[in-house]
Amino acid sequence: DSGVTQTPKHLITATGQRVTLRCSPRSGDLSVYWYQQSLDQGLQFLIQYYNGEERAKGNILERFSAQQFPDLHSELNLSSLELGDSALYFCASSGGQGHYNEQFFGPGTRLTVL
Amino acid sequence: AQSVTQLGSHVSVSEGALVLLRCNYSSSVPPYLFWYVQYPNQGLQLLLKYTTGATLVKGINGFEAEFKKSETSFHLTKPSAHMSDAAEYFCAVSDGDYKLSFGAGTTVTVRA
Repeated sequence: DSGVTQTPKHLITATGQRVTLRCSPRSGDLSVYWYQQSLDQGLQFLIQYYNGEERAKGNILERFSAQQFPDLHSELNLSSLELGDSALYFCASSGGQGHYNEQFFGPGTRLTVL
Repeated sequence: AQSVTQLGSHVSVSEGALVLLRCNYSSSVPPYLFWYVQYPNQGLQLLLKYTTGATLVKGINGFEAEFKKSETSFHLTKPSAHMSDAAEYFCAVSDGDYKLSFGAGTTVTVRA
C-alpha cells in the first residue's frame, strides 16, 4: 500500500460526458502528479501540482483540467469524453520528508468510455 | 527533454534463471533513474532508484541496477527469477523537475 488513494476504482461512461477523478496523496506529500496509461500511448505524464499550484504540464488535452485543494487532495476533470480517452489514470505523490524525488503511485482509476 | 528506451517488450525466463531488462535513456542533465514494477490490475511500485552516488543500486525483491553514464544505460537484473516476478517493468527518468518519463515497458513471463 503506497498510501496514495484514488477514487473511483472503475468508471464507465458515455462519449460526450464529463467525469471527475479524485486523488488523496500520502500524508506530508505536497506534490501530486497525474499520468495516463493506455495501450497505444503507454504511460504519459499529464500534469503536476505542488502545494496547490500548477507546476508542470505534459501531454494534457485542453478538455482535461486538474486542481489541488488546500487539503492537498487533487481532482482530474475530463470533459467531452471520447472513446480514445479510455485508459488507466494514475495519481502519484511525492515531496514528503526524505523522498522528494521518489513518486508513490495510487492504484489507478480505470475509465471506460462507451 | 528526457526519454527512455526499453529494449524488448516481452522477456521470458525460466524459474531460477537470470533476469535482465535493458533500459537506455537520454537526458540533457544528470538524470534521476527509476525502475517500477506493475502487477496485473495494480498501480506502480518502485523497485529501485538512482539519484547520485554509488552506481550499483540495490532494490526490493532481489533486483539491482547499474547506472552507466558512458553507455546512458540503467539495466535491471535479478540473479534468479521467481514465479512472483511475472509482471510488467517500467524504466523511468526524471531530469530533476520530478515529472517522470517512462519507457514502453517490458512484460516478464517466468516459466516453471
